[in-house]
Amino acid sequence: ETAVFQTPNYHVTQVGNEVSFNCKQTLGHDTMYWYKQDSKKLLKIMFSYNNKQLIVNETVPRRFSPQSSDKAHLNLRIKSVEPEDSAVYLCASSPWTGGNTGQLYFGEGSKLTVL
Amino acid sequence: QQKVQQSPESLIVPEGGMASLNCTSSDRNVDYFWWYRQHSGKSPKMLMSIFSNGEKEEGRFTVHLNKASLHTSLHIRDSQPSDSALYLCAGVNNNAPRFGAGTKLTVKP
Repeated sequence: ETAVFQTPNYHVTQVGNEVSFNCKQTLGHDTMYWYKQDSKKLLKIMFSYNNKQLIVNETVPRRFSPQSSDKAHLNLRIKSVEPEDSAVYLCASSPWTGGNTGQLYFGEGSKLTVL
Repeated sequence: QQKVQQSPESLIVPEGGMASLNCTSSDRNVDYFWWYRQHSGKSPKMLMSIFSNGEKEEGRFTVHLNKASLHTSLHIRDSQPSDSALYLCAGVNNNAPRFGAGTKLTVKP
């Protein structure tokens, strides 16, 4: 049963355009993440928020920016996309238990194709 | 470079056979490990977690952890065609789960 919702599921765009992906979780979790999964299935963490506070900010190009309005929502904006941005972007949420992150629950993914 | 290394890259086992997958972290600050399974076209789902040294068994799946060497392994006995998937290992350090490149398991009927 999906409880982490991502939109859109697919997006095709041209180099240089701006793209936004939205993510909402209904699990009541405190922590949300964005991961990038490339064509070789390598899954890389990009950002993580805990209660609207940025706690993980990996080395990603500046054109990527996360946005969190509340702990149930985490969006990802890409300004001026490049061909190497083509990938599946996976949103995840997890509970926060005793200072440790709990199990990740992933959304279905947003597949970006940059022409 | 990847801090979580998985081997082998791919594995083919016959139906009913045993599959053994390995994972090692080069990050000494990893606190615990997760194993996730990702079927083709789907998103990853948690399979098992292991926090302390030793062994943990859940049905056909057994996970081992050696914290000193930061090595974990996943063993699937009586493998089924439905077990065919990408198996991802994650090391969790400072609340940032980082994944390895995965092992693609194919179970042949």
